[in-house]
Amino acid sequence: KAGVTQTPRYLIKTRGQQVTLSCSPISGHRSVSWYQQTPGQGLQFLFEYFSETQRNKGNFPGRFSGRQFSNSRSEMNVSTLELGDSALYLCASSLVGQGSTLHFGNGTRLTVT
Amino acid sequence: GESVGLHLPTLSVQEGDNSIINCAYSNSASDYFIWYKQESGKGPQFIIDIRSNMDKRQGQRVTVLLNKTVKHLSLQIAATQPGDSAVYFCAENAGGTSYGKLTFGQGTILTVHP
Repeated sequence: KAGVTQTPRYLIKTRGQQVTLSCSPISGHRSVSWYQQTPGQGLQFLFEYFSETQRNKGNFPGRFSGRQFSNSRSEMNVSTLELGDSALYLCASSLVGQGSTLHFGNGTRLTVT
Repeated sequence: GESVGLHLPTLSVQEGDNSIINCAYSNSASDYFIWYKQESGKGPQFIIDIRSNMDKRQGQRVTVLLNKTVKHLSLQIAATQPGDSAVYFCAENAGGTSYGKLTFGQGTILTVHP
């Protein structure tokens, strides 16, 4: 069974631009979570989606948004990029009722210049 | 490889030794405590979890201990191998098992020398 797939793997953007990251969960997994990883703040929860609905949201500004499609694939969007948004963005999927067992993709490395 | 932390605690062991990685957690209401392993250039990988009503759980070569009195979690790796070299994160799930919102610790870098 294929793992969680995140595209693109690397991305370079300029301040003020917006970016969309994509995540395809493991087949059969309906819950998708997003995390931001930086050397200074570590792994921080962004949001979680289940059945196309945002179920939880972390402490990030409104510039960070996401959505989930009917096939459980998910996207996250960051608008008006800032230098501090440079990070590894990780997507994870899980089975219903097994939220502790997250299956992570290898992430999208976003660099904002 | 990609750096996931520049000032993390480090643990250096010899191949074959047992390793113990410690973690302090903050939320007494957490239902599950989990350990993840992250290798360079990869996303975190689930190792083992323990429910809050347990104090010990064993897996293959790994044991997790939970001490709720002092809010302490540890991961023991038996017969550590070079392939165990990675960053290890503890995490808490305060929303039961239904929700993928985890709070992660800062991580510990484990280096295994052949």
